[in-house]
Amino acid sequence: DAGITQSPRYKITETGRQVTLMCHQTWSHSYMFWYRQDLGHGLRLIYYSAAADITDKGEVPDGYVVSRSKTENFPLTLESATRSQTSVYFCASSIIGQGAEGYTFGSGTRLTVV
Amino acid sequence: KQEVTQIPAALSVPEGENLVLNCSFTDSAIYNLQWFRQDPGKGLTSLLLIQSSQREQTSGRLNASLDKSSGRSTLYIAASQPGDSATYLCAVGVRGSARQLTFGSGTQLTVLP
Repeated sequence: DAGITQSPRYKITETGRQVTLMCHQTWSHSYMFWYRQDLGHGLRLIYYSAAADITDKGEVPDGYVVSRSKTENFPLTLESATRSQTSVYFCASSIIGQGAEGYTFGSGTRLTVV
Repeated sequence: KQEVTQIPAALSVPEGENLVLNCSFTDSAIYNLQWFRQDPGKGLTSLLLIQSSQREQTSGRLNASLDKSSGRSTLYIAASQPGDSATYLCAVGVRGSARQLTFGSGTQLTVLP
């Protein structure tokens, strides 16, 4: 089914481990985004990508790495996980063009760092 | 830096009531404004998108308005139902920011049967 798929849905990892969250979209949307959602902060942008091989930092990029070798995939890597990175992570994509340029979100990955 | 505020943080109403959710933003140079719904443990579902040149958008029982000059948007829900219970998030797209969205913290709505 078309849409944005995030994996895994739930992940528990230890402090200091590297972990990668996956995001795959089937619409060929140019823009893709990673947000984290924390109580009291709403959603905050981590990184975004305007196209394959083009990425840029958002509001809270420290400790994260992204890549976009293919338009449909936008993985997010925590190089050395810390407890402050415990959060719910959402991937989103956006279309470009006339009319309704809206966002579409994945179902999220709940990450716990212990 | 754009800041988005949603008040109240939580709202409880009886079924059938009409209600208004509020969103305010500090920078009027916006690209668009979007209202989302989030159910517990789920992702965000886009409800309404208002372009900066528009004043309002309607979808079914939902109506969203935008007043850029005052930095405000409202989401009006008519004849509320228990199924409307969710968290409603307002997000602003800022011009020149590559379609990034700045989110409010949301209003958690409970519609009582």
